[in-house]
Amino acid sequence: GNSVTQMEGPVTLSEEAFLTINCTYTATGYPSLFWYVQYPGEGLQLLLKATKADDKGSNKGFEATYRKETTSFHLEKGSVQVSDSAVYFCVPGANNLFFGTGTRLTVIP
Amino acid sequence: EAGVAQSPRYKIIEKRQSVAFWCNPISGHATLYWYQQILGQGPKLLIQFQNNGVVDDSQLPKDRFSAERLKGVDSTLKIQPAKLEDSAVYLCASSLQGEYNSPLHFGNGTRLTVT
Repeated sequence: GNSVTQMEGPVTLSEEAFLTINCTYTATGYPSLFWYVQYPGEGLQLLLKATKADDKGSNKGFEATYRKETTSFHLEKGSVQVSDSAVYFCVPGANNLFFGTGTRLTVIP
Repeated sequence: EAGVAQSPRYKIIEKRQSVAFWCNPISGHATLYWYQQILGQGPKLLIQFQNNGVVDDSQLPKDRFSAERLKGVDSTLKIQPAKLEDSAVYLCASSLQGEYNSPLHFGNGTRLTVT
């Protein structure tokens, strides 16, 4: 089945710092890859996705590139804001989407 | 478009009592999921429906949990009897198709506390 190895948190950064959250996956075939975000007290929501190798998903200044050769989908943002504080989940698409424990990001002013 | 609706928002019950959660997915979404998210953990899939049929319920504790989606739209998840370890947020999600390219749309969840 599908699984992910995601950078363990918590991650604490200062505002405007560069963010990388590593994600490597194991999957049958080449599924779409997703990053979901869960803001404090809110439900999960899709942040970005990539549907095939070398695709780059982007949203709200976040980016992730589907790397088939390294089976990775690392999340990056050039300059984080306090409002980016949340838990981030890397998820390989499948009929039963697998969520790991996520990475908690805290951005301090 | 209206999002995934869940109710109630919060529920507190004593152990051995019963509880039911309701979910109304986004209109036109054929696939519906129930997840359990224990504090500090990621969501764990309990059951997946495609229309009114069950696709995967391998992680549903069937001795106490049940779920149905009789008309292929709304769904209910029931726990009977509840245990302390069932305290969690129960998330409902839907997607246009249960395939690799379809992202999930989540409701705000029901926070269950079992005392």
